[in-house]
Amino acid sequence: QVQLVQSGAELKKPGASVKVSCKASGYTFTDYYIYWVRQAPGQGLEWVAWISPKSGGTHYAQKFLGRVTVTRDTSLTTAYMEFSSLRSDDTAVFYCARDKTGYTSTFEIWGQGTVVIVSS
Amino acid sequence: DIQMTQSPSSVSASVGDRVTITCRASQGITNWLVWYQQKPGKAPKLLIYAASSLQSGVPSRFAGSGSGTEFTLTINNLQPEDSATYYCQQANSFSFGQGTKLEIK
Repeated sequence: QVQLVQSGAELKKPGASVKVSCKASGYTFTDYYIYWVRQAPGQGLEWVAWISPKSGGTHYAQKFLGRVTVTRDTSLTTAYMEFSSLRSDDTAVFYCARDKTGYTSTFEIWGQGTVVIVSS
Repeated sequence: DIQMTQSPSSVSASVGDRVTITCRASQGITNWLVWYQQKPGKAPKLLIYAASSLQSGVPSRFAGSGSGTEFTLTINNLQPEDSATYYCQQANSFSFGQGTKLEIK
């Protein structure tokens, strides 16, 4: 079945970087955009970035420009999100999500989420 | 950026009731509006896309409507499992509303 499986929880110190992976299976990886979404504890959803697995093209929310990099490895059908210069207020759950039909900005399939805790 | 404003921020209703959640866009977005349901500790779930199209597998008691700047999510015949937080999302700039927490009495 179609699924996205994310890497496990991370505990990082302020100033460090974290790289979260999102392994896709059950469909043609290059046919659907992958999105990344952040949710701070008790807060709402916040779009972070998207990547086209086919071209490698990316787009970032203005808020995260310069601190987030999304990449993919088509041979591993895996997308990655690297978040640098972490601060305590970056503590959040990060989700990857797959588009519904390609690039419609509709997040149909979601990963289980990766908890990133930033603490000294 | 287009801002999305949801109301109410929370609502409490009984089994069998009808609930309406509103989402307003700061400028016209035609029908580029998506609704998600999120339960505690879980990833969001797609309910409605293109403002009014029901996602496969979602019960027909969920309905979306609207276009331009004002949109609604209506849940008819409320069920206990509908207790969740609901988010709208503008499917162009990806901005989300702040969420509406639905409690079943």
